Order: sequence, then C-alpha cells, then structure tokens
Amino acid sequence: EVQLLESGGGLVQPGGSLRLSCEASGFTFSSFAMNWVRQAPGKGLEWVSSISGSGGSTYYADSVRGRFTISRDNSKNTLYLQMISLRADDTAVYYCAKDRYGSQSKGIDYWGQGTLVTVSS
Amino acid sequence: QSALTQPASVSGSPGQSITISCTGTSSDVGGYKYVSWYQQHPGKAPKLMIYDVTNRPSGVSNRFSGSKSDNTASLTISGLQAEDEGDYYCSSYTSSNTLVVFGGGTKLTVL
Repeated sequence: EVQLLESGGGLVQPGGSLRLSCEASGFTFSSFAMNWVRQAPGKGLEWVSSISGSGGSTYYADSVRGRFTISRDNSKNTLYLQMISLRADDTAVYYCAKDRYGSQSKGIDYWGQGTLVTVSS
Repeated sequence: QSALTQPASVSGSPGQSITISCTGTSSDVGGYKYVSWYQQHPGKAPKLMIYDVTNRPSGVSNRFSGSKSDNTASLTISGLQAEDEGDYYCSSYTSSNTLVVFGGGTKLTVL
C-alpha cells in the first residue's frame, strides 16, 4: 500500500523559512517522479514543484521559482521542499504526491494527507 | 486564473449523468494523453479517478469515464450517487516550463 506522510508544516512569519518532508513507503521510491501540490484555504489545487525519480531534473511553478527548492533522498525514501522568503499567499495545505511516471510528472496517482503551512505575523 | 478552465459548479439528481469539462490548449490538454481527474471531499486529500484521459484506476467505479476532443477533456459520471458529491479537478501535462497545470475545480452537487 502506497503511503505518503508529510511533516514540517506550521506557523512561520513572513520572510521566514520552512522545510517540508514526505516519507514514502509501499513502492520503489526512486522509480517515480514526485510532486508538491498546495491548496490555499477555500481554493483549488496548485501544482508547486516536481522532481524526477533520479533527482536529476526539477521543475517549479512561476510563483515559487527562486524561493522553493525540491529535493529527494532515495536512500531514505524521503521527499523535501525547502521554502524561503515565505509570503502570506504561500499559506496553504501542502500535499506530497507520487507520479505515475519516472522522469517527468505526467499524472499524480497518490496523495499524502497534507501539511498546513501558515505564513502570518 | 487557472491554466485549465472548468465550470465552477454542476449538479444532478441521483441516477442522472453529468459531464464536467476541462478546456486547455494544444500545449497541454490538446497535445498530450496525460489528462487526469481527481475527486476531493471536504477536508480530505484528492483521489485519482481517471488517468491518461480515459483510464480508471483499480477500485474506481465504472460509473466514471473520461474522454477528450481537441483541447477539451471531459469527465462523465453516470448513475449519480450521493457519495459522488464533492470537488473535481482536472490536470494535464504541459509543454511549458511549469510541467503540470490544474483546472480551477468544479463543485458537484447531488440534488
């Protein structure tokens, strides 16, 4: 059974930093691209970032490029999202999501339960 | 503004069929087979309902079906049931540097 467990969310001041983690199990982690998708309160889904199975290719939404960094440790089956220069509009539930493909994100098939990030003073 | 356009809401009575559209461009929906649909209930994580335009994951009811014509993908739910109520999102691979785009979501109400 695929399981994705996010952690690291919380309250942070504007301009602050946070690192999210996602522990994966139930599948061969290194074989699949992984994603971060966020959902602001009462809003729709917004794709944030993707990383290939090997970790060699990364992709970002324009809204976070230059501030967020996605990475993975295949030896620990863990996905990360380092977030800096956080803004109020980054407030959202952040979902870790497994892709069906290995090299590029072409379709998410499993989602974690999400971790809430609140950016506020 | 979302990259893919969905109606904000649709509704139907139990037993009826409804269709949710998802309109993009030739750089995303129209250009690739990588369109997915997700169901989300309040306070829950999204759940994959359709992948690669027409395919249903194991365990998803065959009342759910997907199709595509030109730049518009569609999700059809037949034999509506109360449990189908929720938000539905489409997504597509895109050749732009953002890689993945979502629709704005459609709220399905079962009357």
